[in-house]
Amino acid sequence: RKEVEQDPGPFNVPEGATVAFNCTYSNSASQSFFWYRQDCRKEPKLLMSVYSSGNEDGRFTAQLNRASQYISLLIRDSKLSDSATYLCVVNGGDSNYQLIWGAGTKLIIKP
Amino acid sequence: NAGVTQTPKFRVLKTGQSMTLLCAQDMNHEYMYWYRQDPGMGLRLIHYSVGEGTTAKGEVPDGYNVSRLKKQNFLLGLESAAPSQTSVYFCASTPNPWDEQFFGPGTRLTVL
Repeated sequence: RKEVEQDPGPFNVPEGATVAFNCTYSNSASQSFFWYRQDCRKEPKLLMSVYSSGNEDGRFTAQLNRASQYISLLIRDSKLSDSATYLCVVNGGDSNYQLIWGAGTKLIIKP
Repeated sequence: NAGVTQTPKFRVLKTGQSMTLLCAQDMNHEYMYWYRQDPGMGLRLIHYSVGEGTTAKGEVPDGYNVSRLKKQNFLLGLESAAPSQTSVYFCASTPNPWDEQFFGPGTRLTVL
């Protein structure tokens, strides 16, 4: 089992729709959780950190479920510019220096 | 601030050749990382450094060496390149391991 698993997609979504991704992680000791965004052939960039109580940043909402060991990302009112690959990232738990990266979920927003 | 820079951006090597990838950051970050990214896979950690003069192995260290002689620079060396090392290499830095990692633009390496 991969340490961080994501549905690779692609998710093809019409502009203006709401889309949600889930990500599961295997290490129950993980304490830090993130969503990064990666555009084609570019470097990853932080989209948002994920906090235990859930958090929102504009059209983006992240949730953490420790009991089931998954995190989620919800994008409302999707824009063409949201087309990208979304990477789920968790820290290594027993080694806080390292992050474990999911392979990413590809999102395509269609006009 | 330039952030994190990587040189070169592209390189083609023949099997058995050696090369060094340079990562530089101007944010005074303690922690630096080298990753490789292959199609359909997440970023995999090659080596990392928790401060000047220190290095440690990540998930896939074989065939690579690193050095962190200066705080702002983290070098990744390939002593004898193999086709399996064809990949995109990203360098990242962060002030704390639980904080955001800042990435360089990547180096696209092809080994023939």
